[in-house]
Amino acid sequence: NAGVTQTPKFRILKIGQSMTLQCAQDMNHNYMYWYRQDPGMGLKLIYYSVGAGITDKGEVPNGYNVSRSTTEDFPLRLELAAPSQTSVYFCASRSAAGGLYNEQFFGPGTRLTVL
Amino acid sequence: AQTVTQSQPEMSVQEAETVTLSCTYDTSENNYYLFWYKQPPSRQMILVIRQEAYKQQNATENRFSVNFQKAAKSFSLKISDSQLGDTAMYFCAFIPIQGAQKLVFGQGTRLTINP
Repeated sequence: NAGVTQTPKFRILKIGQSMTLQCAQDMNHNYMYWYRQDPGMGLKLIYYSVGAGITDKGEVPNGYNVSRSTTEDFPLRLELAAPSQTSVYFCASRSAAGGLYNEQFFGPGTRLTVL
Repeated sequence: AQTVTQSQPEMSVQEAETVTLSCTYDTSENNYYLFWYKQPPSRQMILVIRQEAYKQQNATENRFSVNFQKAAKSFSLKISDSQLGDTAMYFCAFIPIQGAQKLVFGQGTRLTINP
């Protein structure tokens, strides 16, 4: 299993540009999450999904959109990028079996800079 | 709203020493789970240890153990016989059983193990 994969690893955007951060998992996990990590800070939840076709907002959803058309993929869309969105973005997934006790598996992160 | 606080931004110890990282949290929930994650310079998020709030027995994983004080809402991590590879950011995280599946992270503690 590749686990949770994210592309790209690094990206520089200009203010006002748009992009999609890709996330895929091959573990057949129902739950998927997007977090952002600002310098020197912990992770904050942007959006999450409990299954294909179901998404919900987290703590910091403004400026982002998500979709979940398949179990495997959970892309994060940035529209009109702003410098405040400069951060490292992590995707994570976990199985529904075993409840919330189950570990969330994290991808390697995408470092995004908006100039 | 739940919050997680790590009051030690940085810590530094000598190799083979024991170190304790502090974490406190605030919640009105009675049932929840607590986690410690390690983030080495590679940025990968690695689960270190987890604790169920309804279990009085403190969790242990090899050199890692926790001191869970539910009444005080405290969840500290003890690393025994510290190794150079333990150098990383450590994040405390909380997830309630009820409601949305949202993992809440603390700000992190940067731990350096010196040779």
